Amino acid sequence: DTEVTQTPKHLVMGMTNKKSLKCEQHMGHRAMYWYKQKAKKPPELMFVYSYEKLSINESVPSRFSPECPNSSLLNLHLHALQPEDSALYLCASSQAGLATYNEQFFGPGTRLTVL
Amino acid sequence: QKEVEQNSGPLSVPEGAIASLNCTYSDRGSQSFFWYRQYSGKSPELIMFIYSNGDKEDGRFTAQLNKASQYVSLLIRDSQPSDSATYLCAVNSNSGYALNFGKGTSLLVTP
Repeated sequence: DTEVTQTPKHLVMGMTNKKSLKCEQHMGHRAMYWYKQKAKKPPELMFVYSYEKLSINESVPSRFSPECPNSSLLNLHLHALQPEDSALYLCASSQAGLATYNEQFFGPGTRLTVL
Repeated sequence: QKEVEQNSGPLSVPEGAIASLNCTYSDRGSQSFFWYRQYSGKSPELIMFIYSNGDKEDGRFTAQLNKASQYVSLLIRDSQPSDSATYLCAVNSNSGYALNFGKGTSLLVTP
């Protein structure tokens, strides 16, 4: 089973709202990732959790707050977003945190629109 | 920032032909290479990975790696209209955690 699930599939929020994106995997993977993808662009890495600890924060604004409650779950808390934050938010997981010899599997994504 | 370069396309091939997708990378220390397929509005799907020089075959897909030339390619044999998608080449970064993605090549297989 190489499935990563994400909820919700679509999210529309105002700039003053607080919302959360959720990601889950049951493959026993110990690394989980958040990516952001704008139209016709490749995914951009936002955060990496390895063994439930934040390993990489790619200078992401504080209005995005990640959380890893356990090895199977990853959340992304959103607050005071801007319209330019509208994008497809992708969760991925891999067996370990290093990209070397380590395949990453993506979830279906959450399409976020900020009004 | 290490670079991964792909021709954006679109690459148009007739049904049944071989589609050849190419990718070059700048970091000579890269060790892991991945091909993702992404349909419009969907998430990337891992279709091939290769770690050693040479060819790796899986069904209709063949990945080819030449580290000396810093070149990786994906061949799709007997192309089908359902193969029409954007193909993303990804290479491990020297930080270890991240993947560096190319901008993707759009493939169109015409009936």
